[in-house]
Amino acid sequence: QTVVTQEPSFSVSPGGTVTLTCGLSSGSVSTSNYPSWYQQTPGQPPRTLIYSTNTRSSGVPDRFSGSILGNKAALTITGAQADDESDYYCVLYMGSAISVFGTGTQVTV
Amino acid sequence: QVQLVQSGAEVKKPGASVKVSCKASGYTFTTYGISWVRQAPGQGLEWMGWINIHNGNTKYAQKVQGRVTMTRDTSTSTAYMDLRSLTSDDTAVYFCARDVGSTYHFDYWGQGTLVTVPS
Repeated sequence: QTVVTQEPSFSVSPGGTVTLTCGLSSGSVSTSNYPSWYQQTPGQPPRTLIYSTNTRSSGVPDRFSGSILGNKAALTITGAQADDESDYYCVLYMGSAISVFGTGTQVTV
Repeated sequence: QVQLVQSGAEVKKPGASVKVSCKASGYTFTTYGISWVRQAPGQGLEWMGWINIHNGNTKYAQKVQGRVTMTRDTSTSTAYMDLRSLTSDDTAVYFCARDVGSTYHFDYWGQGTLVTVPS
């Protein structure tokens, strides 16, 4: 059973920078996992931020960026704003048409 | 504009089945897949499975395999998720999402359907 792990929570000051990570219980994350990132506020469906590791979805501000850091996927928020306070989820493609969500990170600004 | 509109909230008894619909508009229905994702109260998102709208092929998460069936009706641009043998653990908001197969991500989401199974 594949587990995709994320930090449970982060706190960032307005204008600050925070990097969230997304790792595998066994093995490394690579671009072949096509990491994607989603932002969710309570009571709303998720919003797509990043796909294919580092491609921003339409309309997403450039303060959101994606990358591979070491053996994990990463989402960096540079110049955090109050309305970035949300839950963030990564998704990894595991092959054979299977995707797995990460455990989610709650970000407080 | 792309829209995914889901059916309304449901309350089901334990052991019953539920069928949630997801009507797509604003794009050619057969050129994208649909994934189903659920979120139990206060919990994270969980991928349940995927249907290839073009040919009807499916893939289900191990956790729901054997209890879930995903289908589609291309004449009405509607995808369906049928979950059987419900327990209180299936109480959740169920989302459909357009699945971009070439880059394995979800780009548009339905509004969610709350399914409640009282214990």
